[in-house]
Amino acid sequence: AQSVTQLGSHVSVSEGALVLLRCNYSSSVPPYLFWYVQYPNQGLQLLLKYTSAATLVKGINGFEAEFKKSETSFHLTKPSAHMSDAAEYFCAVSNYGGSQGNLIFGKGTKLSVKP
Amino acid sequence: DGGITQSPKYLFRKEGQNVTLSCEQNLNHDAMYWYRQDPGQGLRLIYYSQIVNDFQKGDIAEGYSVSREKKESFPLTVTSAQKNPTAFYLCASSMGEGLGGYTFGSGTRLTVV
Repeated sequence: AQSVTQLGSHVSVSEGALVLLRCNYSSSVPPYLFWYVQYPNQGLQLLLKYTSAATLVKGINGFEAEFKKSETSFHLTKPSAHMSDAAEYFCAVSNYGGSQGNLIFGKGTKLSVKP
Repeated sequence: DGGITQSPKYLFRKEGQNVTLSCEQNLNHDAMYWYRQDPGQGLRLIYYSQIVNDFQKGDIAEGYSVSREKKESFPLTVTSAQKNPTAFYLCASSMGEGLGGYTFGSGTRLTVV
């Protein structure tokens, strides 16, 4: 069975500081992995996805994530936080043959950015 | 532009009334999904459908019903049996097994008074 764990329900950083949002996954088969962003009262927007090509994936808004098989991780980073990055972020893993839809989502991490 | 449309954005209903939330997509996606979102609880799957005329229950299907008569449409009915229906509801769609990711609508905020 596939699962995903996001460490930290809330993360706070200062503007200009490094953003690091953690995601660990469990999958019995090679996974596809995704990061989504959600602004208040809006739907989720795809930031980036890993589909078994390059392990370092670049996404929109300056975010990137690195797939590390040995650590079963897919952490999201951004070198310098901007106020507009304040949002909730969700990690997701592909769910082959599972009974809960085709993607399994983590519980989300809310990012706050302090001026 | 292709996309997924949820309507209305805000919905108010009296307790005990059934209400139907609309979800339409023009992406030619096979699969569609309904999620419920409450503060601090992430996304919880209500129902999903991989093909027309077929759908499966998710984690919290009790008190909800769906239909999938057309590929483009996947309406969700919140029935009076749902004990706590006030929430933010998100619809999503994907091609096939979703390996390209989901496309989400902008959500419907339902308030039951």
